[in-house]
Amino acid sequence: EDQVTQSPEALRLQEGESSSLNCSYTVSGLRGLFWYRQDPGKGPEFLFTLYSAGEEKEKERLKATLTKKESFLHITAPKPEDSATYLCAVQAYGNNNAGNMLTFGGGTRLMVKP
Amino acid sequence: NAGVTQTPKFRVLKTGQSMTLLCAQDMNHEYMYWYRQDPGMGLRLIHYSVGEGTTAKGEVPDGYNVSRLKKQNFLLGLESAAPSQTSVYFCATTGFSYNEQFFGPGTRLTVL
Repeated sequence: EDQVTQSPEALRLQEGESSSLNCSYTVSGLRGLFWYRQDPGKGPEFLFTLYSAGEEKEKERLKATLTKKESFLHITAPKPEDSATYLCAVQAYGNNNAGNMLTFGGGTRLMVKP
Repeated sequence: NAGVTQTPKFRVLKTGQSMTLLCAQDMNHEYMYWYRQDPGMGLRLIHYSVGEGTTAKGEVPDGYNVSRLKKQNFLLGLESAAPSQTSVYFCATTGFSYNEQFFGPGTRLTVL
């Protein structure tokens, strides 16, 4: 069974204080690891897909990295508008995933104070 | 181009009542999904569809039914609502040329 664990559950930062969010996963053959951002009262918004260990992707102040067991979302010099819940999900290969399903973690709620 | 829309946005039901949630997408995607999101539990898959006329069970299908009569619509039904079905429901979609899923704005359902 695929599992995704995110830590910490909540993270409070001061504006400009860099940090990282962790996503640990177990999956029977990783097809892709996904990061989403979710603002209160809204649906998840796609950020990144990572496919293989060692891969990195960047978008503004966010940088996602991937190893064989975990992914990190690094936030450099965050601003208050980066406050949101960040969700990690994995997608497995194989016949059991003919529907391209995702398994989500519980999310990390990030709060950036000015 | 609205992407993924969900109707209604909010709903309050009494225990035992029934209702249908509608998801519509204008992205011409083959796959559609229904999730529920509860505090601390992330998104859990209820049912999904890989094409018009087909549906399959996800992780938490009990108490729900779905139908995909048209490619652009995916309906989620609750035949006899229970307080345990109080949640926020999200629809998502993706196509053959994508891996990521695209989400709707959600429906907040309260069952009293």
